[in-house]
Amino acid sequence: GQQLNQSPQSMFIQEGEDVSMNCTSSSIFNTWLWYKQDPGEGPVLLIALYKAGELTSNGRLTAQFGITRKDSFLNISASIPSDVGIYFCAGQSSARQLTFGSGTQLTVLP
Amino acid sequence: GAVVSQHPSWVICKSGTSVKIECRSLDFQATTMFWYRQFPKQSLMLMATSNEGSKATYEQGVEKDKFLINHASLTLSTLTVTSAHPEDSSFYICSARDLGETQYFGPGTRLLVL
Repeated sequence: GQQLNQSPQSMFIQEGEDVSMNCTSSSIFNTWLWYKQDPGEGPVLLIALYKAGELTSNGRLTAQFGITRKDSFLNISASIPSDVGIYFCAGQSSARQLTFGSGTQLTVLP
Repeated sequence: GAVVSQHPSWVICKSGTSVKIECRSLDFQATTMFWYRQFPKQSLMLMATSNEGSKATYEQGVEKDKFLINHASLTLSTLTVTSAHPEDSSFYICSARDLGETQYFGPGTRLLVL
């Protein structure tokens, strides 16, 4: 089956720093999505990418859909304490199901 | 934005009992809903795809007779864990797909089987 490799697994950064995380896949996806999950909650959609090469921003978040359609990255600029959480990438195939990455645990230190 | 609710948010039950979890799309209709399971410090794993008015499609390794899914309306899907055992303890999350094919997730239900 399809597999998503997400890295890094965890990050500890200082408040105000920029953050970057990425996902790579063994196969092609039609859509890439990035979610944030707080403890005990469901994932919340941050950014959706629909076209290869697409670069999309949502406030301090920027994500790109890789040209090969097998990868995506998420950048967070000027991190703040409320950015703490687990970030998941997800790829949507032609079957319209989501495959999730393993997650990146982000900790922002004051 | 689209809102998906789940009920209950947490449940504790005895081994051998059955537990029903509801997933509702509050402000949109969802012909398709999905059920995921998430173990601590792990990612979401798709269990089944629930289609309104038809049988659910289960992922490989998920027992359909143990995890009963009913999607009787465009805004409600239920997951029933039958004869629950401690190894079924997990965080169960549903999602509902809107017409734009975006999946919106519920807040999750934490199940603890004693």
